[in-house]
Amino acid sequence: AQKVTQAQTEISVVEKEDVTLDCVYETRDTTYYLFWYKQPPSGELVFLIRRNSFDEQNEISGRYSWNFQKSTSSFNFTITASQVVDSAVYFCALSEAWSSGSARQLTFGSGTQLTVLP
Amino acid sequence: SQTIHQWPATLVQPVGSPLSLECTVEGTSNPNLYWYRQAAGRGLQLLFYSVGIGQISSEVPQNLSASRPQDRQFILSSKKLLLSDSGFYLCAWSIRGEQYFGPGTRLTVT
Repeated sequence: AQKVTQAQTEISVVEKEDVTLDCVYETRDTTYYLFWYKQPPSGELVFLIRRNSFDEQNEISGRYSWNFQKSTSSFNFTITASQVVDSAVYFCALSEAWSSGSARQLTFGSGTQLTVLP
Repeated sequence: SQTIHQWPATLVQPVGSPLSLECTVEGTSNPNLYWYRQAAGRGLQLLFYSVGIGQISSEVPQNLSASRPQDRQFILSSKKLLLSDSGFYLCAWSIRGEQYFGPGTRLTVT
């Protein structure tokens, strides 16, 4: 069975601080995908990143960066120089590797509420 | 580009009334479609998914049902709502890997 744990329920930072959101996962699959989604107060889940299990290179996109470590089953998300607009709930998710004709289900963590104070 | 629509955005319904939530996707063909519910407390629960017209898989036994009458249309229904059906309902689509979510419907059962 798959499981995603986001131990941080709520985090508060002051604007311009860096913040890291933790994600630990469990799976028996050798090939899988990891995701991060952002849910702002409007409610819609916004896709941020997908990572394949065979690609452990860290990724940076603007102020966002992701650290994937297979050895510790972690996929952490760092926001550099946080802004008020980053305030949202962030979800980490896991799925089996995609294959044609199948609907790969996402297993979500419980989310981390990030509040960035001005 | 692909777009996903959900309506209505908000809904207040009395216990025992029927429910119909609709989701449509534009700009893609034969997507996988999903219905999730998010209760207070943030957890996302997968309710149904579909890999094609008329093909529905249910994840959680409940008084809800889903149908896919057309390739890009996914409907969530109930004959009689319960108080516990209140929540935020999200539709999603995928072709490969990542899922893309609609704006959601906030349902309050009174």
